[in-house]
Amino acid sequence: RKEVEQDPGPFNVPEGATVAFNCTYSNSASQSFFWYRQDCRKEPKLLMSVYSSGNEDGRFTAQLNRASQYISLLIRDSKLSDSATYLCVVNRPASGTYKYIFGTGTRLKVLA
Amino acid sequence: DTAVSQTPKYLVTQMGNDKSIKCEQNLGHDTMYWYKQDSKKFLKIMFSYNNKELIINETVPNRFSPKSPDKAHLNLHINSLELGDSAVYFCASSPEGRDYYNEQFFGPGTRLTVL
Repeated sequence: RKEVEQDPGPFNVPEGATVAFNCTYSNSASQSFFWYRQDCRKEPKLLMSVYSSGNEDGRFTAQLNRASQYISLLIRDSKLSDSATYLCVVNRPASGTYKYIFGTGTRLKVLA
Repeated sequence: DTAVSQTPKYLVTQMGNDKSIKCEQNLGHDTMYWYKQDSKKFLKIMFSYNNKELIINETVPNRFSPKSPDKAHLNLHINSLELGDSAVYFCASSPEGRDYYNEQFFGPGTRLTVL
């Protein structure tokens, strides 16, 4: 079992739809959490950090549930340009520092 | 105004060769990383340097050797390349890797193909 689990998808949704992704992590020492977006053949780009109280950035809302060890990302009013792979990332202690543990990513296709 | 840059972008080489990938960041960050993304698109950390000091060294073959001449540069040298080394290698940086809340910023990647 991977330390950070995501449904690989693909999620095929029509433009304007609302779509939600979940991610679970197994290491309770994990300290911080992020969603990254990766377009085909490109580098991961930070979408948003995830805070315990939940946070919103335009059409994107991220939630963290530490007790259940899961993170979610909600995308409202999907655009064609939202088509990408969404990577859940957990930052946890390792060897006196912190390291990113990536999920395998969830593919989203927004259809016209 | 590129933040994290890598060269080369593409690298095609024969098995057994030695090659290097270079990374530079102009963000003033203290910590730099090398990641490998395999054919299944899974991203995994290989190394991390903080102010030229190696702080993360995952279980990778010792054919891979990182070198950090200064905190803005982190290079990756690979000896005796094997078919399984074919992947995309990403460099990243963050302000201070030992602070858990710091975000990482990635370079454009180097696509390595070993024939």
